[in-house]
Amino acid sequence: EIVLTQSPGTLSLSPGERATLSCRASQSVTSSYLAWYQQKPGQAPRLLIYGASSRATGIPDRFSGSGSGADFTLTISRLEPEDFAVYYCQQYGSSPITFGQGTRLEIK
Amino acid sequence: QVQLVQSGAEVRKPGASVRVSCKAFGYTFTKYAIHWVRQAPGQRLEWMGWINPGNGNIKYSEKFQGRVTIARDTSASTAYMELSSLRSEDTAVYYCAKDAYNGWYDYWGQGTLVTVSS
Repeated sequence: EIVLTQSPGTLSLSPGERATLSCRASQSVTSSYLAWYQQKPGQAPRLLIYGASSRATGIPDRFSGSGSGADFTLTISRLEPEDFAVYYCQQYGSSPITFGQGTRLEIK
Repeated sequence: QVQLVQSGAEVRKPGASVRVSCKAFGYTFTKYAIHWVRQAPGQRLEWMGWINPGNGNIKYSEKFQGRVTIARDTSASTAYMELSSLRSEDTAVYYCAKDAYNGWYDYWGQGTLVTVSS
């Protein structure tokens, strides 16, 4: 099973700042089959990025994904108030599908 | 538009079973797999298994093998997840999610809270 470790656990930033979230896998993720989701309290996760770097439909271009192998990054270029949430990475290249433990992005 | 609508919250005693439904709207149900993912309080998302509604193929996570059953009714565009031998650690929000391609999820149900308590 591929274990995904996200860092930091909590990130405190202000609107307008840049956020960099990390997702590290215990082994290489097949074909960069890595996705990022945003989750707000009481809501289901929302797809942001798939294939490590492809933005999902309707996702603003301030969200970008990068990385390969076992190291991946989600970057939010300029934080908007609605971006403060929990972010999860997911690998879907190997069974079982696994998720990271999440990074909480909070307003400083 | 695409929507996945899940059944309502459930309360069960330890040892019982629960079935959660997930009805699909706005797309051809048989063309895309449906996955089941759960989220226990304060825990990460946990994949349970998936079903291909078109051919009925199913894959379960080894963690839940023997306790989970996933099924579908194509005439009703509905997928089901049944979990048996419930214990307190199964208290969680259970989600269905539509597989866009190869295992990433473009749409999720609203979630169903299952509470296991004596």
